[in-house]
Amino acid sequence: ETGVTQSPTHLIKTRGQQVTLRCSSQSGHNTVSWYQQALGQGPQFIFQYYREEENGRGNFPPRFSGLQFPNYSSELNVNALELDDSALYLCASSSAGSRVNTEAFFGQGTRLTVV
Amino acid sequence: AQSVTQLGSHVSVSEGALVLLRCNYSSSVPPYLFWYVQYPNQGLQLLLKYTSAATLVKGINGFEAEFKKSETSFHLTKPSAHMSDAAEYFCAVSDPPRGGNMLTFGGGTRLMVKP
Repeated sequence: ETGVTQSPTHLIKTRGQQVTLRCSSQSGHNTVSWYQQALGQGPQFIFQYYREEENGRGNFPPRFSGLQFPNYSSELNVNALELDDSALYLCASSSAGSRVNTEAFFGQGTRLTVV
Repeated sequence: AQSVTQLGSHVSVSEGALVLLRCNYSSSVPPYLFWYVQYPNQGLQLLLKYTSAATLVKGINGFEAEFKKSETSFHLTKPSAHMSDAAEYFCAVSDPPRGGNMLTFGGGTRLMVKP
């Protein structure tokens, strides 16, 4: 059984550019969530995908968008990058959209630096 | 809206001493509560969770936490610290229908263990 894998592990982008981060969910999991963790802070919920549709979103602007594919893998896209977007982006997968007692398993994260 | 407050961004203990990491939450409904650990350059690992069953929850690596509704607290403890416990610890809350998804995290507490 493979765990949650994210790519790339590190990325440097210039302000104003666009970036795509990728996440492969754990085997058997159909739900993917994305979190942003700024340096020295706790993770903040960006959004969640279940059965290829967004079914929950945190307080992030529309330039943060995502996709989930039929194999349950997911992408996080960020347009018009700002310096404050520099952070560790964490992907988490779980086995149901909103069922009680669901445990989310986290990937190692992608470290994005915007210069 | 839910929120989580972790008192003490840094906690230092001696090896073998009691570990106590504090977490208080606010929620309009009885929440689900979680403790995660993050080692350097890694994702989050679930230590334990409270999902409205027993108020004293035992987790991995000898950690436990007690849900106290009257104090809106979910403090994490371990009787005897080990050097390998040095890491960042995050308390998180979710609404019960969401299970372990769409988490709201606290700011984290960095635990340092002195030999």
